[in-house]
Amino acid sequence: NAGVTQTPKFQVLKTGQSMTLQCAQDMNHNSMYWYRQDPGMGLRLIYYSASEGTTDKGEVPNGYNVSRLNKREFSLRLESAAPSQTSVYFCASTWGGILNSALHFGNGTRLTVT
Amino acid sequence: DQQVKQNSPSLSVQEGRISILNCDYTNSMFDYFLWYKKYPAEGPTFLISISSIKDKNEDGRFTVFLNKSAKHLSLHIVPSQPGDSAVYFCAASAGNTGKLIFGQGTTLQVKP
Repeated sequence: NAGVTQTPKFQVLKTGQSMTLQCAQDMNHNSMYWYRQDPGMGLRLIYYSASEGTTDKGEVPNGYNVSRLNKREFSLRLESAAPSQTSVYFCASTWGGILNSALHFGNGTRLTVT
Repeated sequence: DQQVKQNSPSLSVQEGRISILNCDYTNSMFDYFLWYKKYPAEGPTFLISISSIKDKNEDGRFTVFLNKSAKHLSLHIVPSQPGDSAVYFCAASAGNTGKLIFGQGTTLQVKP
């Protein structure tokens, strides 16, 4: 049982390049989330999808777009990468709301923008 | 504006002793609180949670205390073990969503 799988694990981009971070979960969870972790900042919510077909902004959505491709997959796209987007990105999922089950996180994608 | 704060970046304790990790919050709408543990190069893993209708929740060696009037929660680990060495994040939620607000994290080192 893989849980939450993120690809790639590492990525280096030049300023202005674009890329998509992939996330898939095999737990039949309804809700999926993208967080970023920066030193001294904890984890901050970028976007989330409460259910298939819906997406909403979190705390720090600027510079990002998301797609809930199906129930399993939730991708995060950087259209024009900036050095400020250097971070570790975590995808997470839960069955439905935090009271039902805690978030299950993937192992992260470490992104460096030069 | 940091709504959830962990003011101690690091904590070092001896194996077998108690570890106490603290967390303060400012938003009175928060009604569900969680602690996550994170090892290097891995994602956070859920540890324990507490609803605002309770003031204590216990799970084995881990106990979370909530003081709503002080807007403060703490995680007690007794006894501490070297395998507990990790970064601990507290998180809060307003309503039944997965939109968690995280603290900055506290790095716990348990010395043998």
